[in-house]
Amino acid sequence: DAGITQSPRHKVTETGTPVTLRCHQTENHRYMYWYRQDPGHGLRLIHYSYGVKDTDKGEVSDGYSVSRSKTEDFLLTLESATSSQTSVYFCAISKGTASTGELFFGEGSRLTVL
Amino acid sequence: KNEVEQSPQNLTAQEGEFITINCSYSVGISALHWLQQHPGGGIVSLFMLSSGKKKHGRLIATINIQEKHSSLHITASHPRDSAVYICAVRNTDKLIFGTGTRLQVFP
Repeated sequence: DAGITQSPRHKVTETGTPVTLRCHQTENHRYMYWYRQDPGHGLRLIHYSYGVKDTDKGEVSDGYSVSRSKTEDFLLTLESATSSQTSVYFCAISKGTASTGELFFGEGSRLTVL
Repeated sequence: KNEVEQSPQNLTAQEGEFITINCSYSVGISALHWLQQHPGGGIVSLFMLSSGKKKHGRLIATINIQEKHSSLHITASHPRDSAVYICAVRNTDKLIFGTGTRLQVFP
């Protein structure tokens, strides 16, 4: 357990509204990730961070932005939510290096965009 | 073609059976992960492998780097093993996930 909490765990919102998901860790690990999980797809990387203010895009980053102003918090923002962003979102950290660190996941945040 | 392929996609078993889930990949990797996800639940890391074999309780994971293949075995399966098992590989600093194997173990 790497002390990862996600909030909110469940959210229903309307198309066009902004949404922010928060990932909080208690162990000061450097590498943090946001994934989305959809039926028929493996987990897909949205954005990742390798330190405070250091972030990069993943394979499905369109429509999403992130911020990491503190080591412990990694925020995922949907500026204007669309129905295609209905999904379960998982935050993860890598303990150690990005290439060999053990993975720990948050409990997931289920987002429904109506 | 996906870079990480798992088989089978779905698997049912009777309690007590020996189970094997396979993962093949087509990229160079620094490590391979096996993950478990219970219905409606979070994702838990079971193993991280870069060579050989690891065992934890009734779970055994093996990897053959030359053949780009890994297997997850469950001995004496139990209904609580019912979950989705996900293989993920580390390619540089990127993780590539398989789509998972859904396992149901019946009493």
